[in-house]
Amino acid sequence: DIVMTQSPLSLPVTPGEPASISCRSSQSLLHSSGHNCLDWYLQRPGQSPQLLIYLGSNRASGVPDRFSGSGSGTDFTLKISRVEADDVGVYYCMQGLQTPPSFGQGTKLEIK
Amino acid sequence: EVQLLESGGGLVQPGGSLRLSCAASGFSFSNYAMAWVRQAPGKGLEWVSGITEVGGNTNYADSVKGRFTISRDNSKSTLFLQMSSLRAEDTAVYYCAKDEILVAGVWDFDSWGQGILVTVSS
Repeated sequence: DIVMTQSPLSLPVTPGEPASISCRSSQSLLHSSGHNCLDWYLQRPGQSPQLLIYLGSNRASGVPDRFSGSGSGTDFTLKISRVEADDVGVYYCMQGLQTPPSFGQGTKLEIK
Repeated sequence: EVQLLESGGGLVQPGGSLRLSCAASGFSFSNYAMAWVRQAPGKGLEWVSGITEVGGNTNYADSVKGRFTISRDNSKSTLFLQMSSLRAEDTAVYYCAKDEILVAGVWDFDSWGQGILVTVSS
């Protein structure tokens, strides 16, 4: 099974400042189609997870352009250009290349 | 608008059984693979099981293999998870999730239900 490792696990950020979360996989997530099979999800407090970024770098519908995903192979990054209060929650990366799909441990973003 | 509504959760004793349902609406249910993902209290997300569009292929996490069975009724747009031989460590919120068709065979969960709590305790 593919193991996903996120860092940091806790991320205090001042509003208006940028934030970055790293995600590493134990195997390459590059699909034969050329896509990297890595998604990012946000789980706000008390809510269900929601898809933010799919296939490594594509924003899901309705996701602000403050969010961006990058990376390839085994190293991926989620960046928030300017953090807002509504961005508070736990961010998870997930690989969907192999079954079972697997999640990182989660990164808790909080506002300073 | 896609809606996924889980039901059937509750308190069950160790060794007991429970059947979760997920009623889907707002999309052509039979065209999408579906999955169950769970979250133990205060913990992260864990994929539990998945099923292809017509139910011909099912997969399970090692932690539930042989105890849980996923199925679907496309005529009723409903996903199920039959859970048996339940253990304390199965206590979690169980989410129903829709797999978007982006790349064949690749999991991407673009819609999630609100979740249903299953508590296994005596």
